[in-house]
Amino acid sequence: SQTIHQWPATLVQPVGSPLSLECTVEGTSNPNLYWYRQAAGRGLQLLFYSVGIGQISSEVPQNLSASRPQDRQFILSSKKLLLSDSGFYLCAWSVAATTEAFFGQGTRLTVV
Amino acid sequence: GEDVEQSLFLSVREGDSSVINCTYTDSSSTYLYWYKQEPGAGLQLLTYIFSNMDMKQDQRLTVLLNKKDKHLSLRIADTQTGDSAIYFCAERGTYNNNDMRFGAGTRLTVKP
Repeated sequence: SQTIHQWPATLVQPVGSPLSLECTVEGTSNPNLYWYRQAAGRGLQLLFYSVGIGQISSEVPQNLSASRPQDRQFILSSKKLLLSDSGFYLCAWSVAATTEAFFGQGTRLTVV
Repeated sequence: GEDVEQSLFLSVREGDSSVINCTYTDSSSTYLYWYKQEPGAGLQLLTYIFSNMDMKQDQRLTVLLNKKDKHLSLRIADTQTGDSAIYFCAERGTYNNNDMRFGAGTRLTVKP
């Protein structure tokens, strides 16, 4: 069966520090991978998606970047965090042409 | 961009039915989803409906789709305290199959 792992679960970082959130998927090959952000009291905003190794599409301009160094690994990064980067970050995967996306447990990032 | 809207709060008594409503604007939506998010956790897919369907029932859950009005609802029969969570409506359109657009979520509170 497929599983998705996302870590860390919580993170408190100072403004200006770097960020690296990691997401891995097991039990499937060539998944579509996604990073979403959920701001407090708001819906999910798609940040990045990837249909293959090294292929990253960005949905909104921002202070973050994403990379996919391996087929089932998706990394969300920042060189210098801003206060506005605080939020709940969710990684998800789906099989192209099927319906549902499966989510990780999320990382709550607080930038102080 | 295309919007998905839902009311932010709903409160019901245990044993009653809950109805969570959602409207969307993308007429090309192919799949519509309901996800459940418990505190501090990721999103769990509850059910989905394809755009050529009017209704889908799965145990205590009933999804109704009015494609003409672009209105989706989730009915939970015999609501239990364990149903307390945030419920997200989401849609996947044909304009960008890699993007699932989410509403802001409805926080369902079930009172004993």
